[in-house]
Amino acid sequence: DVKVTQSSRYLVKRTGEKVFLECVQDMDHENMFWYRQDPGLGLRLIYFSYDVKMKEKGDIPEGYSVSREKKERFSLILESASTNQTSMYLCASSLGLAASYEQYFGPGTRLTVT
Amino acid sequence: AQSVAQPEDQVNVAEGNPLTVKCTYSVSGNPYLFWYVQYPNRGLQFLLKYITGDNLVKGSYGFEAEFNKSQTSFHLKKPSALVSDSALYFCAVRDMFWEENTGFQKLVFGTGTRLLVSP
Repeated sequence: DVKVTQSSRYLVKRTGEKVFLECVQDMDHENMFWYRQDPGLGLRLIYFSYDVKMKEKGDIPEGYSVSREKKERFSLILESASTNQTSMYLCASSLGLAASYEQYFGPGTRLTVT
Repeated sequence: AQSVAQPEDQVNVAEGNPLTVKCTYSVSGNPYLFWYVQYPNRGLQFLLKYITGDNLVKGSYGFEAEFNKSQTSFHLKKPSALVSDSALYFCAVRDMFWEENTGFQKLVFGTGTRLLVSP
């Protein structure tokens, strides 16, 4: 079974803080993704990575950066957290980028920025 | 850009009755379509996908989806709903884009439909 874990289930940070969200997958998947989930908006892709040290912007990358130093780990960084970044953050991984490869999701981190 | 629409925010059904969760798509080219489910306090789980072939796709937990090209729909169905099916359901479509002559694929998700199955 693929397992995708996220470092925290719940996180509360103050405006202006630097925030790190960590994601680890144990199935040697090439590709990893970060989404945010908001009511009425569904899931929106922030960044994805198709290889170590490689990254691509998704649909809403502003205010975020990512790091992938090791294949199994993909970090999402909020350089200076703002209240509009309060959301549920979901990490996912897939073996390949082809449509036949489904994505496997972690349990999510609910981030509140006050 | 590819997109999917889920016209219902919530669907209510009694246990034992058939259920349908609707999804329509807008794509250029052949659509690659997916359904995911999110149970409370858990991440999304893959249910099923349509890539090519039979229009009726069978997936996990007794769910199936019917691809209808003329109606541009990919509705999720189950013949007999269970209370444990209560969850948030997302339809998604593959989108392809290019960066410096390299092609990438990503999933574009709908806004989600909450399914409530009453005992």
